[in-house]
Amino acid sequence: GDSVTQMEGPVTLSEEAFLTINCTYTATGYPSLFWYVQYPGEGLQLLLKATKADDKGSNKGFEATYRKETTSFHLEKGSVQVSDSAVYFCALNRNTGNQFYFGTGTSLTVIP
Amino acid sequence: DAEITQSPRHKITETGRQVTLACHQTWNHNNMFWYRQDLGHGLRLIHYSYGVHDTNKGEVSDGYSVSRSNTEDLPLTLESAASSQTSVYFCASSDGQGSTDTQYFGPGTRLTVL
Repeated sequence: GDSVTQMEGPVTLSEEAFLTINCTYTATGYPSLFWYVQYPGEGLQLLLKATKADDKGSNKGFEATYRKETTSFHLEKGSVQVSDSAVYFCALNRNTGNQFYFGTGTSLTVIP
Repeated sequence: DAEITQSPRHKITETGRQVTLACHQTWNHNNMFWYRQDLGHGLRLIHYSYGVHDTNKGEVSDGYSVSRSNTEDLPLTLESAASSQTSVYFCASSDGQGSTDTQYFGPGTRLTVL
């Protein structure tokens, strides 16, 4: 069945470091791919998405490219800030029914 | 601004009690979803609805029920709470049924079953 595998955390980085959080997926058909972010005590917020192969989603300095050949959607940011500390979830949306499958989440802590 | 709200934000109950968690959205979205979030599992789908009077079971529906009497609300009921249902519960909504549609999440309800 459809599934998402995410890089295990937690991840701790110094401010201005480069961030990569790996995400790979298994799906039939052509899903859309998403990154959500969850700040402490809050619900999930959409960070970015890509709806077809080779699309790049970007927002707030984060970006991810939909790679069909490697079934991946890795999240990257060139220079992280303390305010980026959160849990990041990779997700896919099946072709029909708007049903999402989420990864287990990766906790990121950025230290000054 | 349109939003999705959940209440209560925190709830402590005892084993065997019936509990209802509320979810209300003002987006006028057709689709609503309930998830539970547990460490090591990410978010798992409990129930979902594509419109008034429509309900469907998700991956982990045992012990839970929902009903949809209007567009705005999808309450989640735990018929007889169990300690295994201690979790954080999130409600979400979306407009279409296509693969490109985004789901919008509420702030969550932390439920503890003693």
